[in-house]
Amino acid sequence: GAVVSQHPSWVICKSGTSVKIECRSLDFQATTMFWYRQFPKQSLMLMATSNEGSKATYEQGVEKDKFLINHASLTLSTLTVTSAHPEDSSFYICSASKGSADHSYEQYFGPGTRLTVT
Amino acid sequence: AQSVAQPEDQVNVAEGNPLTVKCTYSVSGNPYLFWYVQYPNRGLQFLLKYITGDNLVKGSYGFEAEFNKSQTSFHLKKPSALVSDSALYFCAVRGVNAGGTSYGKLTFGQGTILTVHP
Repeated sequence: GAVVSQHPSWVICKSGTSVKIECRSLDFQATTMFWYRQFPKQSLMLMATSNEGSKATYEQGVEKDKFLINHASLTLSTLTVTSAHPEDSSFYICSASKGSADHSYEQYFGPGTRLTVT
Repeated sequence: AQSVAQPEDQVNVAEGNPLTVKCTYSVSGNPYLFWYVQYPNRGLQFLLKYITGDNLVKGSYGFEAEFNKSQTSFHLKKPSALVSDSALYFCAVRGVNAGGTSYGKLTFGQGTILTVHP
């Protein structure tokens, strides 16, 4: 149980276009979903936390107008990278939690999405 | 503020030998501690966690970790390393109060690359 999927697993897009990444909890309801960004050989950087039906909370330094997060249901959150540029190329990982962000519930991680912007 | 330190960027060990990947932490309240493993271009896979109870925690794939409160450490260990254990390992911590409410988000260490030589 507690499986999280991401789609697509990899995507290549041209500079200036927008890309949507989906994160789904397959066998549980995710009250909270988290979006991370990871650069090569580096740790995960939390970008934002989203709760179903409410606006996402972005970490300091993350542009909310560039990285649009929607958590429309208890099993789906989407991250849209708008007007992508080569510097947005990265590995994006989502995770999902059964509880609220304030409580110590485990996070279940998706397999990640490799975004390359040309 | 929470923090996690993995003092070794890389650990090299011969197959069949014991391995240790070090982790120390700093949190407010009680620590909830996690180890994850990441293979190239993949998401994080959960290995084990310490919430409460026995200080020695056993996890997936023969890994174990020992919680040491006085040294604020949570080192990952395996008695006999396999070549297939070669990957990137992350330690993570979350501080929790007595009521189970988190003091902050899940904080990751910078990761340790484990290489097991045949």
